[in-house]
Amino acid sequence: DQQVKQNSPSLSVQEGRISILNCDYTNSMFDYFLWYKKYPAEGPTFLISISSIKDKNEDGRFTVFLNKSAKHLSLHIVPSQPGDSAVYFCAATSREGNEKLTFGTGTRLTIIP
Amino acid sequence: KAGVTQTPRYLIKTRGQQVTLSCSPISGHRSVSWYQQTPGQGLQFLFEYFSETQRNKGNFPGRFSGRQFSNSRSEMNVSTLELGDSALYLCASSLANTEAFFGQGTRLTVV
Repeated sequence: DQQVKQNSPSLSVQEGRISILNCDYTNSMFDYFLWYKKYPAEGPTFLISISSIKDKNEDGRFTVFLNKSAKHLSLHIVPSQPGDSAVYFCAATSREGNEKLTFGTGTRLTIIP
Repeated sequence: KAGVTQTPRYLIKTRGQQVTLSCSPISGHRSVSWYQQTPGQGLQFLFEYFSETQRNKGNFPGRFSGRQFSNSRSEMNVSTLELGDSALYLCASSLANTEAFFGQGTRLTVV
């Protein structure tokens, strides 16, 4: 039972354009969402998060949007840079219940120079 | 501030052997979680420890076990290794209900 889904295993985007990574979840108890970036042979690095009381959070080139009614979130990267090429994982948790982080299967983003 | 430290970085073991992996969390973090990453499977949750107690557990067989010490350091043990246990094992630490910070992982190869 995959409670957090990233339906696109891979995505290629031209350098300078916008990258949009999508994530869907099924558990309505999730109230905190995170994005992680992972390079090969390294641990994931925290990028940005959003609480369910917000619908948008921005940090530099990275913006996360949350649509609670659709149980959908997305990560926008603009402008995309070659160093953004990595695997991106979406994660969700319920902060009240001390729940574990549940991760999606990841999307491999490739930025084309 | 030192990050999450996992040792060893690489390990090769034979089927049937057992292995112990170690994780030192960020100072002050009391929660330590373990994940298994295999190609195409994303990050599969193994277990989480908080103040020396297992707080959450994933759907892995009993061959996978862990513990946490009073200084928050954690160990993960896998007994009777199988070829399918070959993976990157990641440890993450966090303050209660905040972002998790990952170590670089231990790459386990079972031959």
